[in-house]
Amino acid sequence: QKEVEQNSGPLSVPEGAIASLNCTYSDRVSQSFFWYRQYSGKSPELIMSIYSNGDKEDGRFTAQLNKASQYVSLLIRDSQPSDSATYLCAVFKSGGSYIPTFGRGTSLIVHP
Amino acid sequence: DVKVTQSSRYLVKRTGEKVFLECVQDMDHENMFWYRQDPGLGLRLIYFSYDVKMKEKGDIPEGYSVSREKKERFSLILESASTNQTSMYLCASMGPSYEQYFGPGTRLTVT
Repeated sequence: QKEVEQNSGPLSVPEGAIASLNCTYSDRVSQSFFWYRQYSGKSPELIMSIYSNGDKEDGRFTAQLNKASQYVSLLIRDSQPSDSATYLCAVFKSGGSYIPTFGRGTSLIVHP
Repeated sequence: DVKVTQSSRYLVKRTGEKVFLECVQDMDHENMFWYRQDPGLGLRLIYFSYDVKMKEKGDIPEGYSVSREKKERFSLILESASTNQTSMYLCASMGPSYEQYFGPGTRLTVT
């Protein structure tokens, strides 16, 4: 089982809809969770971090963490064509080496 | 804002050449990383460094070495470039809450 799993997609949503991206992880001691956005040909950029159970909102983005079920999700409200990108989930375990584990990413397409 | 810069955006080298990729960050971060990214394979960690002159191998260190002589600079060296090292190379530094900041990447082609 991969440590961090994401559906590769593509996930296709119409403009204005809510895009829901999911990520599951296998290690229960994971403590810190991150979402990165990567446009084609560009490098990943951090868009959200979440450290405790529940929801965290930042503009149109909401990260949701459920440690008991070992999943973290990213909701994008009012999706825009400019949100079309690959979204990478990253998980970090405290107490070990300083290496986050990345999922392979979910491709999101927002069509007009 | 954190700034991570990489020495080249695009690089073309010949098989057998020694290749230097440099990365500089301006936020006094202790931890820095080198990844390569290939279609379908995701991000793969080559090396990371947790302090000056300190380094640890990642998942795919073969054919690579690194140097960290100053805190802000982390260099990746391909001792003898091969065609299977054609890839996108990404440098990142890690902030105090374990978030990573990536440089713009270097697309290396080895012919």
